Amino acid sequence: GIQVEQSPPDLILQEGANSTLRCNFSDSVNNLQWFHQNPWGQLINLFYIPSGTKQNGRLSATTVATERYSLLYISSSQTTDSGVYFCAVEGDTGGFKTIFGAGTRLFVKA
Amino acid sequence: ETGVTQTPRHLVMGMTNKKSLKCEQHLGHNAMYWYKQSAKKPLELMFVYNFKEQTENNSVPSRFSPECPNSSHLFLHLHTLQPEDSALYLCASSRGGQGYQPQHFGDGTRLSIL
Repeated sequence: GIQVEQSPPDLILQEGANSTLRCNFSDSVNNLQWFHQNPWGQLINLFYIPSGTKQNGRLSATTVATERYSLLYISSSQTTDSGVYFCAVEGDTGGFKTIFGAGTRLFVKA
Repeated sequence: ETGVTQTPRHLVMGMTNKKSLKCEQHLGHNAMYWYKQSAKKPLELMFVYNFKEQTENNSVPSRFSPECPNSSHLFLHLHTLQPEDSALYLCASSRGGQGYQPQHFGDGTRLSIL
């Protein structure tokens, strides 16, 4: 099956700093999503981005499907950005089989 | 508010008990999912239902039994669980059918097996 690798596994930032999170996947995908899981366990949908670039406020994401990676950019980080960021993909064989990466755990210091 | 509601939020049960987790979505979606999130492990897809038909069973032990009576409701029936089944169980939904399929998650049920 598809392998999903996220890097870095852990990241500590000073408030106001920028960061880039990476998601590599091993095969062609139909769907790719970025999620943020907050410290209370809630999983929030950030981007649906199987290809191209999207922006939402301080967050943006780019997926280069031909090179099998996606990047999540966080600018001017805030303490509320802390939590775990997951990349999830669905292979192009259909069937809704979604594979999650292990996540990047982010802590933003005040 | 994501439009996906899970109950209960927390559940403690013994290994011989029988309980059920409930998920309800108010998004008009037709696909629903159960995931398991254990400590220090990626989310694992357990089951998928698309238009009430099960399309994915990711080698889940039979002590977990899903039920999808309609496109808005999804249950996970639990019996004779093991301590390693303690985890956060997350429900999600998506549009269903083909194409654009962003998933929306509930807040989860945190399950502890004594």
